[in-house]
Amino acid sequence: TQLLEQSPQFLSIQEGENLTVYCNSSSVFSSLQWYRQEPGEGPVLLVTVVTGGEVKKLKRLTFQFGDARKDSSLHITAAQPGDTGLYLCAGRGSSNTGKLIFGQGTTLQVKP
Amino acid sequence: EAQVTQNPRYLITVTGKKLTVTCSQNMNHEYMSWYRQDPGLGLRQIYYSMNVEVTDKGDVPEGYKVSRKEKRNFPLILESPSPNQTSLYFCASSLGTSRGYTDTQYFGPGTRLTVL
Repeated sequence: TQLLEQSPQFLSIQEGENLTVYCNSSSVFSSLQWYRQEPGEGPVLLVTVVTGGEVKKLKRLTFQFGDARKDSSLHITAAQPGDTGLYLCAGRGSSNTGKLIFGQGTTLQVKP
Repeated sequence: EAQVTQNPRYLITVTGKKLTVTCSQNMNHEYMSWYRQDPGLGLRQIYYSMNVEVTDKGDVPEGYKVSRKEKRNFPLILESPSPNQTSLYFCASSLGTSRGYTDTQYFGPGTRLTVL
């Protein structure tokens, strides 16, 4: 069974600080996605990374896929209160099926 | 408006009483999937469907059934609900035709189910 370990599970920081969330596995994934979820709503896709070593930027968010496609990270620069939410990573297996494995999630609180 | 809809949004029921949670999408998506979300466990996939009449198990299929008779609908059936199925359920859909199925997955608003 493929697993994705996400860390930290909780993060409370002040506005303006930087942070990194990690998503690790012993398995190889064909692609990895990052979602953000707000209370009372479904997750919303932020980015998909496909190639080992790939880096994608979305404003103040930087996403990286590990060279071996077993891990990923999300880095937020100068966090703002609007970044508060639950961040989820999700990987699709190397056999490229319709299965999607989610990490446990990281609850981020950014205080003004 | 392009969307995934789920009904009901909230449901309280008793053990053993069969229920169905409906899911519908208006984006002509091939791929649809059901997840449950529990605190500290993230989302876990229950069942998914690559296309009409094609369904497969996710990581936690026990106690659930699905069907995909039409492209737009993917109902989740609990034949005999038990308290451990109390959870927040999400339906999602995506085009499913791009290489590697890396396309955007759109989630419904969720159904909060309580089984007493």
